[in-house]
Amino acid sequence: SYELTQPPSVSVSPGQTASITCSGDKLGNKYACWYQQKPGQSPVLVIYQDNKRPSGIPERFSGSNSGNTATLTISGTQAMDEADYYCQAWDSSTAVFGGGTQLTVL
Amino acid sequence: EVQLVESGGGLVQPGGSLRLSCAASGFTFRNYWMSWVRQSPGKGLEWVANIKQDGSEEYYVDSVKGRFTISRDNAKNSLFLQMNTLSGEDTAVYYCIAQGTITLVTDAFDIWGQGTVVSVSS
Repeated sequence: SYELTQPPSVSVSPGQTASITCSGDKLGNKYACWYQQKPGQSPVLVIYQDNKRPSGIPERFSGSNSGNTATLTISGTQAMDEADYYCQAWDSSTAVFGGGTQLTVL
Repeated sequence: EVQLVESGGGLVQPGGSLRLSCAASGFTFRNYWMSWVRQSPGKGLEWVANIKQDGSEEYYVDSVKGRFTISRDNAKNSLFLQMNTLSGEDTAVYYCIAQGTITLVTDAFDIWGQGTVVSVSS
């Protein structure tokens, strides 16, 4: 079965750029989505089709996808961005999530 | 306001059954694929199943095939998940999701409900 791999944790200082990677076989040939989940809340879509932002998502969130790696980039990271982030893609009509990355802003 | 409200979760013994429901409002339910995603305590997200707009296609993660059945009632704007032969590994928060309602991209999980808790234990 298809697998997506994320680093368990990433740390970033306020105002700096955070990058979270998601690796999967030929992931660049698929579309990647990213979800943000804060404690006790439901996940929220922050990036779809590799690099598109839903309305209401700040411009500091961006995405890319090439080769075997998709990347979520948060520019000018704020304390409110501290959360778990999950990548997701589709393979053979089934959805697959990465294991999640805990982003710490300190 | 677009809204998904799950219900039907609870405590069930191993081997038992449970039926989850999801009430949709604020969008034209019959026009969108719908999914269930679960999250075990302290763990990540796992997609469970989804169903096409008219119910003609259903897909499942391997671990629930033959035990879970997804269905929908477009007249009542409702999504369901019938769960049979439950085990401790099915213990999780179950989220109802509308695909592409905002982005108009079917592959995106646009709208999530608040989730309903399923606990499987003796």
